[in-house]
Amino acid sequence: AQTVTQSQPEMSVQEAETVTLSCTYDTSESDYYLFWYKQPPSRQMILVIRQEAYKQQNATENRFSVNFQKAAKSFSLKISDSQLGDAAMYFCAYRSGGSNYKLTFGKGTLLTVNP
Amino acid sequence: NAGVTQTPKFQVLKTGQSMTLQCAQDMNHNSMYWYRQDPGMGLRLIYYSASEGTTDKGEVPNGYNVSRLNKREFSLRLESAAPSQTSVYFCATLLRTDSNQPQHFGDGTRLSIL
Repeated sequence: AQTVTQSQPEMSVQEAETVTLSCTYDTSESDYYLFWYKQPPSRQMILVIRQEAYKQQNATENRFSVNFQKAAKSFSLKISDSQLGDAAMYFCAYRSGGSNYKLTFGKGTLLTVNP
Repeated sequence: NAGVTQTPKFQVLKTGQSMTLQCAQDMNHNSMYWYRQDPGMGLRLIYYSASEGTTDKGEVPNGYNVSRLNKREFSLRLESAAPSQTSVYFCATLLRTDSNQPQHFGDGTRLSIL
């Protein structure tokens, strides 16, 4: 079974600075998808960024980018120019590319942004 | 555009009571999912429905039942609620299972069992 590990229960960053959240996963599959979701205090689950395993290029969405290291099974999220609105719980998630399409989540990293 | 709608948003039950959580989507998505979120545990899959007429167990199905009423609606039932089922429950949908499309989540139902 796939597992997703987020080793940082909490992180903090100063406004306008850069922070990197770590995620590692364990799988024997070659075809899969990886996601980062943001959950603010409102409890909504908001997609931040996604990465297909077959793509070598790291995904980027505005201030958010990933460092996808397939051999190392690592999928970190970098937030540049951090804003107060980035404060939230961040979840890394894995989904198989085959018939097993359930999402497996990490336990989350709580990000605090200091003014 | 409502997306994924969960009802109710909050509920308090007594041990042994029954309860059905409702989920409806207007995105014409094929697959629907129920997760629970507990502190320090992330989200865990309870049941899912790949398509209308099918349901399957996820990681933590014990104590729950589901019904895929039609393409739009997927309900989660607690027949005899237990304090261990106190959690936040999320419904999610997925357009297709063979694409990189993300799951779309409802706003969650906070359920407390006394």
